[in-house]
Amino acid sequence: EDQVTQSPEALRLQEGESSSLNCSYTVSGLRGLFWYRQDPGKGPEFLFTLYSAGEEKEKERLKATLTKKESFLHITAPKPEDSATYLCAVRRGNAGNMLTFGGGTRLMVKP
Amino acid sequence: GAGVSQSPRYKVAKRGQDVALRCDPISGHVSLFWYQQALGQGPEFLTYFQNEAQLDKSGLPSDRFFAERPEGSVSTLKIQRTQQEDSAVYLCASSLAGDSYGYTFGSGTRLTVV
Repeated sequence: EDQVTQSPEALRLQEGESSSLNCSYTVSGLRGLFWYRQDPGKGPEFLFTLYSAGEEKEKERLKATLTKKESFLHITAPKPEDSATYLCAVRRGNAGNMLTFGGGTRLMVKP
Repeated sequence: GAGVSQSPRYKVAKRGQDVALRCDPISGHVSLFWYQQALGQGPEFLTYFQNEAQLDKSGLPSDRFFAERPEGSVSTLKIQRTQQEDSAVYLCASSLAGDSYGYTFGSGTRLTVV
């Protein structure tokens, strides 16, 4: 059974204080690891897809990395507008296009 | 439209009432998904359509849950005889077949069963 565990559950940062969010996964035949951002009252918004260990992707202050067992979402010099819940999800090779999500990390960035 | 549209945004149902939740995917998106998200949790898969065919319904929690997409575009998730544990946000997402950019989610329908 696919498992996705995110840590920490909640993270409070001061503006400018860089940190990382962790996503540990167990999946048979990974066919993509996805990061999403979710604001209150809205659906998840796509950020990145990573496919193989060693792959990295960047977008503004965010950088996602992937190993064989986990992914990290690094946030450099965060701003208050980066406050949101960050969700990680995996897609298994023989499971159609279904995604299995972790519980998310609630990030709060204080000015 | 530009995004995935879901209606209603909020629904309050009395226990035992039937409800129908609607999803309008992005035009041309072949794949459509329904997810259930409990408060403070990540979304959980319910069911998946490719065009009008329901290819996976393994996540539907009971036979009270039913989904359809008769013409391969708009989809409806129906919950019969609602119970308190059905209270959650129901998210719809769509994607192009083989899309590597992830899915586009709607804003969801928040269902509260009282």
